[in-house]
Amino acid sequence: EAAVTQSPRNKVTVTGGNVTLSCRQTNSHNYMYWYRQDTGHGLRLIHYSYGAGNLQIGDVPDGYKATRTTQEDFFLLLELASPSQTSLYFCASSDSGGAPEQYFGPGTRLTVL
Amino acid sequence: GEQVEQLPSILRVQEGSSASINCTYENSASNYFPWYKQEPGENPKLIIDIRSNMERKQTQGLIVLLDKKAKRFSLHITDTQPGDSAMYFCAARTGFASALTFGSGTKVIVLP
Repeated sequence: EAAVTQSPRNKVTVTGGNVTLSCRQTNSHNYMYWYRQDTGHGLRLIHYSYGAGNLQIGDVPDGYKATRTTQEDFFLLLELASPSQTSLYFCASSDSGGAPEQYFGPGTRLTVL
Repeated sequence: GEQVEQLPSILRVQEGSSASINCTYENSASNYFPWYKQEPGENPKLIIDIRSNMERKQTQGLIVLLDKKAKRFSLHITDTQPGDSAMYFCAARTGFASALTFGSGTKVIVLP
């Protein structure tokens, strides 16, 4: 089974703080995704990438930057965190083409005070 | 882009009965419709999917129906068991390599 890991698993920061969430997949998948999950909204796509150095804008990108440094590593950056970014963040990866199953990491719970 | 509406938000069913979740989408170019199950404290996992060239798919107590004309697809869980209690998300993909748009989720509660 595909392995996707995230760190940290929990993070508390203050308004205006700088946060980096990390994601690593070890299955040679081309695609990686960042989602946030909030009650009543389901999973909303923030950014995604189809390879090292590539970045695509998702549906809720405001306030977030992302960077794909290698095929394995995808980072989500919150440079001026706000309370509205308090959420559960999931990273996922998938192979390209066909009907690709997305494999999700365990999630990072972020609280912005 | 795509928008996916999912109903109901909460579904209570008696153990042994069937549960049905409905989703609608807007973009007629959407071609892939997966369903994910998320148990409490866990990450979402794919349970079944259907492509646009199919109308029905069944696996292990799960049935997915796709009505492209109505832009509607549905998940039916037959003979529900306590292990079926979870959040369920539908999703749609537009294009060959684009990302998924998820519905807002349905919390299924199986009552003893």
